[in-house]
Amino acid sequence: DGGITQSPKYLFRKEGQNVTLSCEQNLNHDAMYWYRQDPGQGLRLIYYSQIVNDFQKGDIAEGYSVSREKKESFPLTVTSAQKNPTAFYLCATQGEYINQPQHFGDGTRLSIL
Amino acid sequence: GQQLNQSPQSMFIQEGEDVSMNCTSSSIFNTWLWYKQDPGEGPVLLIALYKAGELTSNGRLTAQFGITRKDSFLNISASIPSDVGIYFCAGQQGAQKLVFGQGTRLTINP
Repeated sequence: DGGITQSPKYLFRKEGQNVTLSCEQNLNHDAMYWYRQDPGQGLRLIYYSQIVNDFQKGDIAEGYSVSREKKESFPLTVTSAQKNPTAFYLCATQGEYINQPQHFGDGTRLSIL
Repeated sequence: GQQLNQSPQSMFIQEGEDVSMNCTSSSIFNTWLWYKQDPGEGPVLLIALYKAGELTSNGRLTAQFGITRKDSFLNISASIPSDVGIYFCAGQQGAQKLVFGQGTRLTINP
């Protein structure tokens, strides 16, 4: 969706390496989300943040970390503790009003070298 | 985490046919959303539903919010090649997290 930029589009990780996925938005949305998508499966929530300097674990947070130092940015770090990181990662944002739908970026595909 | 039961998981149809897919939940939602995802891209919102019984159209797409608030369906009429992709339903209750279905993969034979 317009206004949500994920980078890079493709990312490769070596064993034991941490990598960081970027998500930037210019929609002035308070809430931001990170999802993981595996082939043939739906989206699973990793972390989310509803306000700057605050974030919450989702359903599959182990092996991941996030920060929310600015409203526009919500980077996701895939740490070496995540043993199966190969997946498609999606960032989403949501406006302030209850029931406003989430809108998604175009995703980052992470693979293991 | 909780997931919705979305069916069918995949569909193979001829161009021009109508398509129907649905989602059911054991929980009540006050918002139902339908998204479409093309390969290698993020999901794009198709239709948002906010009231039980609501029927909403977006071009050839029609979606309904079930009267029990535990289900929703999406219909696509007169399918065309660009309808190919994965369709996801998602439900939300208040300010709680979105819950997603596992997707319906639509393939169209020309």
